[in-house]
Amino acid sequence: DAGVTQSPTHLIKTRGQQVTLRCSPISGHKSVSWYQQVLGQGPQFIFQYYEKEERGRGNFPDRFSARQFPNYSSELNVNALLLGDSALYLCASSLAVFYNEQFFGPGTRLTVL
Amino acid sequence: SQKIEQNSEALNIQEGKTATLTCNYTNYSPAYLQWYRQDPGRGPVFLLLIRENEKEKRKERLKVTFDTTLKQSLFHITASQPADSATYLCALDISGGGADGLTFGKGTHLIIQP
Repeated sequence: DAGVTQSPTHLIKTRGQQVTLRCSPISGHKSVSWYQQVLGQGPQFIFQYYEKEERGRGNFPDRFSARQFPNYSSELNVNALLLGDSALYLCASSLAVFYNEQFFGPGTRLTVL
Repeated sequence: SQKIEQNSEALNIQEGKTATLTCNYTNYSPAYLQWYRQDPGRGPVFLLLIRENEKEKRKERLKVTFDTTLKQSLFHITASQPADSATYLCALDISGGGADGLTFGKGTHLIIQP
């Protein structure tokens, strides 16, 4: 079975631009979460979606938004990019909400210049 | 606010020895705690989950303990191998229902030397 997939793998943007990151969960998983990981830190929670509804949101500005589609795939959007948004963006899926282990994708490395 | 501390940024262990990693947390009583492994440039990989009513859990060469009184979890790798070299993250679900996601520590970078 395929694991969690994310696209693109790498992305370079300039300040002020907008970016969309994509995630496909493991087949049968209905919960998708997004995390931001800056170098030397642990992942930081951004959003969780379950059955296409937002179930949780971390301490991130409104420039960050996400959605989940009927096939349970998800997109993370970041507007008005700042240099500090440079990070590894991780998507994780699980069967249900945070009762189960999280299966992480390989991440999207975003560099903002 | 919830704080998770892992024992050190880097831990050097000789091959064949037992590596012990520490995770301490404050201001919360989690129902369970998870450990993940992360290799450079890759996403974390789930290793073990231990619940508040479990004192110890094992999986092959891995062992996790959970002391809710001390607010501490210990993660052990016995008969360590160079392939065990990675960053190990502990994580808590502080809301119990997903509203706050998983809260991760910074991780401990483990180096197993041949």
